[in-house]
Amino acid sequence: QVQLVESGGGVVQPGGSLRLSCAASGFTFSGYGMHWVRQAPGKGLEWVAFIRYDGSNKYYADSVKGRFTVSRDNSKNTLYLLMNSLRPEDTAVYYCVKGHSSSWNYFDYWGQGNLVTVSS
Amino acid sequence: EIVMTQSPATLSVSPGDTATLSCRASQSVSSNLAWYHQKPGQAPRLLIYGASTRATGIPARFSGSGSGTEFTLTISSLQSEDFAVYYCQQYKNWPPWTFGQGTKVEIK
Repeated sequence: QVQLVESGGGVVQPGGSLRLSCAASGFTFSGYGMHWVRQAPGKGLEWVAFIRYDGSNKYYADSVKGRFTVSRDNSKNTLYLLMNSLRPEDTAVYYCVKGHSSSWNYFDYWGQGNLVTVSS
Repeated sequence: EIVMTQSPATLSVSPGDTATLSCRASQSVSSNLAWYHQKPGQAPRLLIYGASTRATGIPARFSGSGSGTEFTLTISSLQSEDFAVYYCQQYKNWPPWTFGQGTKVEIK
């Protein structure tokens, strides 16, 4: 079965950096686009970033563009999110999410989430 | 950017009753609409895609309808595990992928 396990979250000061990882299993990781979605405490869902199956294209929400970088290592079945210049408003649970397909790009499997807290 | 608007924000329903949730898109998304639910402390889970197709393992009491800009999620014979927050999402025009603000279905 599909499993997505995030790691790397924690507490960081404003202006700091953090890298999230997502270990994927149960499907052919190299064949699917992957997303990061976040949820601030008590709030709704916000799409953050998407990377195509081969890493050829990357897309970002305006709120993180220029600060966050999504990447993947298909040899390790792992997705990453490098977060720089973190702000208090980046505090959220970050979910690693599998895209269904390039034509029907809805979110079919979600990781359990990883909390990132930006605070001094 | 396509803005998704859900109503109502909160829906109070008795177990065994039917809940009807609405989602509106600011422009047509055809049938490129998904529904997710999220129980407290858990990750969201896909319920419906293509506006009306149930995801794997989702019971038949969940049904989706609509196309274009108006969509509905109906949950019949509500069970205790159905009390959660429900989100709609469009995947027609991206980026960005956009969600509604959510509808909380609570026990009446």
